[in-house]
Amino acid sequence: KQEVTQIPAALSVPEGENLVLNCSFTDSAIYNLQWFRQDPGKGLTSLLLIQSSQREQTSGRLNASLDKSSGRSTLYIAASQPGDSATYLCAVTRLHFAGGTSYGKLTFGQGTILTVHP
Amino acid sequence: DTEVTQTPKHLVMGMTNKKSLKCEQHMGHRAMYWYKQKAKKPPELMFVYSYEKLSINESVPSRFSPECPNSSLLNLHLHALQPEDSALYLCASRRVGAEAFFGQGTRLTVV
Repeated sequence: KQEVTQIPAALSVPEGENLVLNCSFTDSAIYNLQWFRQDPGKGLTSLLLIQSSQREQTSGRLNASLDKSSGRSTLYIAASQPGDSATYLCAVTRLHFAGGTSYGKLTFGQGTILTVHP
Repeated sequence: DTEVTQTPKHLVMGMTNKKSLKCEQHMGHRAMYWYKQKAKKPPELMFVYSYEKLSINESVPSRFSPECPNSSLLNLHLHALQPEDSALYLCASRRVGAEAFFGQGTRLTVV
């Protein structure tokens, strides 16, 4: 059974700091890994998707890396801003097959609650 | 357009009521999902539809009944819910193995 762990559970930093969020997973047979952001009471916003064959992806101030063999991913946020305050979730996808079709099943970590104060 | 639209945004229902949640996407995604999320917890998978067929039911009580009328729509019918079913219900869609997109959720309160 796939288990996904995120460290730290919570992080509070002053504005402008560079920070790293960690995600580890137990089963390396993943199809891809996705980082999400969730604001309180809201849905999930996709930040970055890394396919299993890739090592990293970048979007603006965000950079995510993937080491599939060691079961680890990191999300790097540069020059943090108060607007970055949210819960960050990582999720791994495994492909499943049923009834002649396939679908991806996401397994989530518990999330990192990030607070960036001015 | 990368939008998954869920309605309603908020729902309060009594334990004897019947209500439905709706999810819609127009990205051509053939996999659609229902998740339940309690406060300070990650989303928990409830149902997966692949090509309009129910592919997985994660041992969800029968008071939750999913329906996929066509490739763009996903419904969740609710009947005789319990207060512990109060949660944020999230819909998601994706192409097989590609990026998953989530809706903004329906905040359900059972009284």
